[in-house]
Amino acid sequence: AQSVAQPEDQVNVAEGNPLTVKCTYSVSGNPYLFWYVQYPNRGLQFLLKYITGDNLVKGSYGFEAEFNKSQTSFHLKKPSALVSDSALYFCAVRDRSGGFKTIFGAGTRLFVKA
Amino acid sequence: EAQVTQNPRYLITVTGKKLTVTCSQNMNHEYMSWYRQDPGLGLRQIYYSMNVEVTDKGDVPEGYKVSRKEKRNFPLILESPSPNQTSLYFCASSSDRSSSYEQYFGPGTRLTVT
Repeated sequence: AQSVAQPEDQVNVAEGNPLTVKCTYSVSGNPYLFWYVQYPNRGLQFLLKYITGDNLVKGSYGFEAEFNKSQTSFHLKKPSALVSDSALYFCAVRDRSGGFKTIFGAGTRLFVKA
Repeated sequence: EAQVTQNPRYLITVTGKKLTVTCSQNMNHEYMSWYRQDPGLGLRQIYYSMNVEVTDKGDVPEGYKVSRKEKRNFPLILESPSPNQTSLYFCASSSDRSSSYEQYFGPGTRLTVT
C-alpha cells in the first residue's frame, strides 16, 4: 500500500536552532513531493515542492527540503527556527503518472521555544 | 485575488439529512480535490477531479458524492451523513500549467453530524 510517514508527532526546538521535520514515503514510481504548513485556525499553505532537478529545494519562509531517492525521503529543514514557525507541517506525495491521487502524512507539530 | 472558497464554514446537522458543501476556485485550475482532516490521520483524499466531468475516488470515498459540471465548482455531497463523517473538510485546486503542481486550499468546513 502506498503511504507517507512522518515519524515524529511533535518536534521541539529552541529559537535560533536548526530544525528538521522528517518525511519518508512508499509510493510507486517517482512522485511529486510537497510540504504544506497549517497555522492554528487557518487553512493549509504551500511551502515547497520537488518536481525534478536539484535534490535540495528552497521554499517559503527560509525553509528547504532535501530529496533522497535511495532513502525515499523528503525531510524539511530550516537553519534557524523562529517562534512564528510553530505550526502543523504536512508532507504530501502525488502520483506522477497523470492522475491527481495525493497522499498526505499524518502531520508533525513543530514547537519553537523562545 | 486568487482563491478557493468553501461554504458553509461551519455546519451542524443530524444523521441522515442530506447536505452539500460548495467549493469554487477562480484560478482556472483543471484539478480539484476534497480532503478530510482528522486528528492523528492527517488529510485523506475523498475524491478528486482532473477536469470537467472527470472525477475519481481518493482513499476514503464511501458516503460521499461529487460532481464537476463547471470547471470552477466542485461540490461535495453527503447524501445521508453519519456521525463518523464529523470532520474538518478542505477543498483544493491545482494546475500543472507553468510547472505549478502545488495545491491551493480553501479555508475549511467544520462539519458536525449528531
